[in-house]
Amino acid sequence: EIVMTQSPGTLSVSPGERATLSCKASQTISTNVAWYRQKPGQAPMLLIYGASTRAIDTPDRLSGGGSGTEFTLTISSLQSEDFAVYYCQQYHNWPRTFGQGTKVEFK
Amino acid sequence: QVQLQESGPGLVKPSQTLSLTCAVSGASVTSSYYYWSWIRQPPGKGLEWIGYIYRSGNTYYNEALMSRLSMSVDTSKNQFSLQLSSVTAADTAVYYCARDHQSWNGFFVGLDVWGQGTPVTVSS
Repeated sequence: EIVMTQSPGTLSVSPGERATLSCKASQTISTNVAWYRQKPGQAPMLLIYGASTRAIDTPDRLSGGGSGTEFTLTISSLQSEDFAVYYCQQYHNWPRTFGQGTKVEFK
Repeated sequence: QVQLQESGPGLVKPSQTLSLTCAVSGASVTSSYYYWSWIRQPPGKGLEWIGYIYRSGNTYYNEALMSRLSMSVDTSKNQFSLQLSSVTAADTAVYYCARDHQSWNGFFVGLDVWGQGTPVTVSS
């Protein structure tokens, strides 16, 4: 199975700052990656698919990039609702696999 | 608006079988575009993909759970189900059902709809 590795584990950021999250796949997966946000006590929510396509309701301050094995999620100016845990997931093949998550917390 | 709703017992005894159902509204489990999936999240940990069932009844399971896992789909009730046998404390988690969406052009677009999740504790 494809292993997804996210970094850093925790990112401490101030509101209004820029945050960049990374995700690396153990083999090439083209752009078959999605990003999810999970707030405490809630289900994950799809933010980005196809590495860079925003899902409905995803604000344009969130952007995804990358292809092959390395991917990024960038939040250009953090708002209060952005402080959460983010997961990348590959859907290049089965089984689907998730990264271990990056927690974005208040600095 | 598509909604998924998990249901099932919140407490299961060790060695017993965990059974969960996901009721689907606003979409049909018979659609060719959707792979109906289960994901779980142990307390304080990350997401683990469990498997999917397709409208035809075809399934794909996480290899680590395959020997204990069974999924089914009920088209008459527009719902799908999960059964996990011989549970242990390691199966304690919030269980989510979700829709894995394949668009009309054949490309997947991620797990675009999730249920709210149902917590399951394995304890005697």
